[in-house]
Amino acid sequence: EVQLVESGGGLAQPGGSLRVSCAASGFTFSDHHMDWVRQAPGKGLEWVGRVRDKDNSYTTDYAASVKGRFTISRDDSKNSVILQMNSLKTEDTAVYYCAATSPSAGAFDIWGQGTTVTVSS
Amino acid sequence: SYGLTQPLSVSVALGQTASITCEGHNIVGKFVHWYQQKPGQAPVLVIYRDSHRPSGIPERFSGSNSGNTATLTISRAQAGDEADYYCQVWDYSTYVVFGGGTKLTVL
Repeated sequence: EVQLVESGGGLAQPGGSLRVSCAASGFTFSDHHMDWVRQAPGKGLEWVGRVRDKDNSYTTDYAASVKGRFTISRDDSKNSVILQMNSLKTEDTAVYYCAATSPSAGAFDIWGQGTTVTVSS
Repeated sequence: SYGLTQPLSVSVALGQTASITCEGHNIVGKFVHWYQQKPGQAPVLVIYRDSHRPSGIPERFSGSNSGNTATLTISRAQAGDEADYYCQVWDYSTYVVFGGGTKLTVL
């Protein structure tokens, strides 16, 4: 079964850190760029960032709202991708989705179920 | 930065055709993807590269892209099509861009 499973969400204080993981199975993980997309309560989808595949040197890009605070990495040997979130703000509160980009479609064709991150004192 | 504009809501009578628009500057020059999201669930890709359907998506879903407007069309609308729909493009300065989302109501 093709799936992405996120874990590691929870409660963090403003200024704190949190690490969220995403485990992939059922597809060739190493061929896909991997992204994180978040959704604040009652709001729309917001792209967070991307880590590209080996052919693209595992380069990363980030949304302006998280650049310098969030880091995305991947481990192809473990079929996993990590979102490290530092200097958290209350506005980072959201459901965080892991998503895989189809090499042929160029769209997010596989999504995880999401993990909730709450930043509050 | 590049922006995409969608109507907040669209209503359609059961069995009729719904059209959801996504406006962006010269959007015809970009590939547009569409996602369906039902309450409490992750998004699902329904149209990619303007007009292609992933396997498992009904033929009732179609897409087009022209000028400054991309359109998702849902024919013979069903109650199960009620959801939020998001358009998305790739932009070289802003990277991944989502529209604000459209809530589809089937009457």
